[in-house]
Amino acid sequence: EVQLVESGGGSAQPGRSLRLSCTASGFTFDDYAMYWVRQVPGKGLEWVSGISWNSDSAGYADSVKGRFTISRDNAKKSLYLQMDSLRSEDTAVYYCAKETRGYNYGLNGMDVWGQGTTVTVSS
Amino acid sequence: SSELTQDPAVSVALGQTVRITCQGDTLRSYYASWYQQKPGQAPTLVLYNTNYRPSGIPDRFSGSRSGTTASLTITGAQAEDEADYYCNSRDFYNNQLVFGGGTKVTVL
Repeated sequence: EVQLVESGGGSAQPGRSLRLSCTASGFTFDDYAMYWVRQVPGKGLEWVSGISWNSDSAGYADSVKGRFTISRDNAKKSLYLQMDSLRSEDTAVYYCAKETRGYNYGLNGMDVWGQGTTVTVSS
Repeated sequence: SSELTQDPAVSVALGQTVRITCQGDTLRSYYASWYQQKPGQAPTLVLYNTNYRPSGIPDRFSGSRSGTTASLTITGAQAEDEADYYCNSRDFYNNQLVFGGGTKVTVL
C-alpha cells in the first residue's frame, strides 16, 4: 500500500523550532519530488515547500522562506521540514504529499497525501 | 508569487452538471491539478495535467483549459461529490507551487 505518515507536530512557543518528518512506503521514494502543504483549520490549502527527487532543487513559499528548510533522505525514504523562528501564523495541519509522476517537479499534481500532523505555535 | 483565483462556493442539483473555474497567469504555461477535500480528511487528487484522472476517480470528473483559466466539470453530480475543491499549479518563480483559494461545492 502506498502511504505517507507524518510525525513531529506539536506545540511550540514563538521563535522556537520544530522538525517534521514524513515516512514513505509502497513506492520508489527516490523517484519522486515531495512537498509539504499546510492548512489552517477551516481555511484553504497553502503550499509550503517542495524538493526534487534527487534534492537538486527546492522551493519555498514566501511566507516561510529563510525560516523553513526542506530535506530528504532517500535511503530512509523520509522527507523532513525543519521549521525555525516559528510564528503564530505557522499554526496549521501540515501534510506531506508525493508528486504524481516520477522525475518531475510541480508539473503533475500530488497523488498521495499523508493524514497530516498538527503544529500549534503559541506562547 | 502568483495567484490562482477560484469562486468561493457553487451549488448544483443532484444529477446535474457543475463547472468550477481556476484563473491565473501560470495556467498559460503550466497544467492545473484539482483536489477534492471532505471535512476531516486529507485532500484527494481528482485531476492532473488538466484532464487526467487518477485510478479510482469516476469519469464524471473532467477538466479543460482555455488561456489562463482551468475548469473542473462534474457531470451528473452525486451527493458524495459535496466537498471543497482546490486547483494547483507550478508558479513561474523559484520552484514555487500555488493553490487556489478553494471552491465549496454543495449538492442540493
